[in-house]
Amino acid sequence: DIQMTQSPSSLSASVGDRVTITCRASQSISSYLNWYQQKPGKAPKLLIYAASSLQSGVPSRFSGSGSGTDFTLTISSLQPEDFATYYCQQSYSTPQVTFGQGTRLEIK
Amino acid sequence: EVQLVESGGGLVQPGGSLRLSCAASGFTFSSYDMHWVRQATGKGLEWVSAIGTAGDTYYPGSVKGRFTISRENAKNSLYLQMNSLRAGDTAVYYCARAVHGGNSFDYWGQGTLVTVSS
Repeated sequence: DIQMTQSPSSLSASVGDRVTITCRASQSISSYLNWYQQKPGKAPKLLIYAASSLQSGVPSRFSGSGSGTDFTLTISSLQPEDFATYYCQQSYSTPQVTFGQGTRLEIK
Repeated sequence: EVQLVESGGGLVQPGGSLRLSCAASGFTFSSYDMHWVRQATGKGLEWVSAIGTAGDTYYPGSVKGRFTISRENAKNSLYLQMNSLRAGDTAVYYCARAVHGGNSFDYWGQGTLVTVSS
């Protein structure tokens, strides 16, 4: 199984900050990496697919990069509605996908 | 508008069974691979099962042999039959639609809670 490891596990930041979350795969997954945002009590929301493609309707302050084993999600200027938990997901072995453990983004 | 609505969750004893349903609307259900993903309280996301448009099914080792995913395209419905339930199966179960070549999930239901406890 492909293991996904996110860092950090939690992060405190302020509105307007630039934030980067990292995801590392246990083996090369090319660009088969997606990012989701989840708010408490809600279902996850797809932000980025194929490592760097912005899902329709997602603000352009979200961006993704990377390939192989190392990936990043960047929020260029944090907005109040961005405080949530973020998950990466590998789809290299689709349909048998796996998720990272999550990164909780909190208000400083 | 795409909608996925899960139902069928509840309290069940260890060793018991439960059948979850996911009603889909707003898109051509038969044209999409569908998945179940679960989340224990305060924990991360765990993929549970997938079914392709041709009815091919997939499971992780943690549920293989106990869970069965199925679909009924005429009713725009997805199902998850869960047998031999364990305390570790306690979670919110989401159904999700796969897109971008089946590689990501663009629509999710609101989730249904399954609690396995005596």
